Amino acid sequence: GAGVSQSPSNKVTEKGKDVELRCDPISGHTALYWYRQSLGQGLEFLIYFQGNSAPDKSGLPSDRFSAERTGGSVSTLTIQRTQQEDSAVYLCASSPGTAEYGYTFGSGTRLTVV
Amino acid sequence: AQSVTQLGSHVSVSEGALVLLRCNYSSSVPPYLFWYVQYPNQGLQLLLKYTSAATLVKGINGFEAEFKKSETSFHLTKPSAHMSDAAEYFCALMDSSYKLIFGSGTRLLVRP
Repeated sequence: GAGVSQSPSNKVTEKGKDVELRCDPISGHTALYWYRQSLGQGLEFLIYFQGNSAPDKSGLPSDRFSAERTGGSVSTLTIQRTQQEDSAVYLCASSPGTAEYGYTFGSGTRLTVV
Repeated sequence: AQSVTQLGSHVSVSEGALVLLRCNYSSSVPPYLFWYVQYPNQGLQLLLKYTSAATLVKGINGFEAEFKKSETSFHLTKPSAHMSDAAEYFCALMDSSYKLIFGSGTRLLVRP
């Protein structure tokens, strides 16, 4: 597609429920990233997929968070047993995989846990 | 460890005035540096990037940034602020494993 697409744009969920956030990267981009943006915390790296390599999960804050990327394209970020501190904007980005390009970001999913 | 520091969480300028947003970095290797802009309820948009080709980098919307190795800085400037420039600006460094490390952001306010 022309840009990085994320869905839903907004999600309100009850504490303890599971949520899935979707990211559709730019066609042909081999690298895909998830970041979290919360008030007072800035932009926090969560996970990084590059081609067929094992993902870099070093930023996932707990084992309640997981992500997968199917067929080297669409990615889903799953948060199990959501907590109020999970409320944030979750941003997805993709890149051709070369350092000098930088990333193209989606518009994000605003998650609110009530 | 690599890091990015943005001085000033908020900067306020008058319309037509010079915009200067400060960014300093720490890196043991030649860095790739980026400036992104975020408008309300939107994702991040790339403004410009430094990839070692030229120290003065021009970006979109009239912004530019100068890479100064001796000062480990990559400050963002625009000669004349416009009301539409009001947004949050993030400086970022790409680390050795291709992850972007972001500064804490600077919110630019433009007064009429």
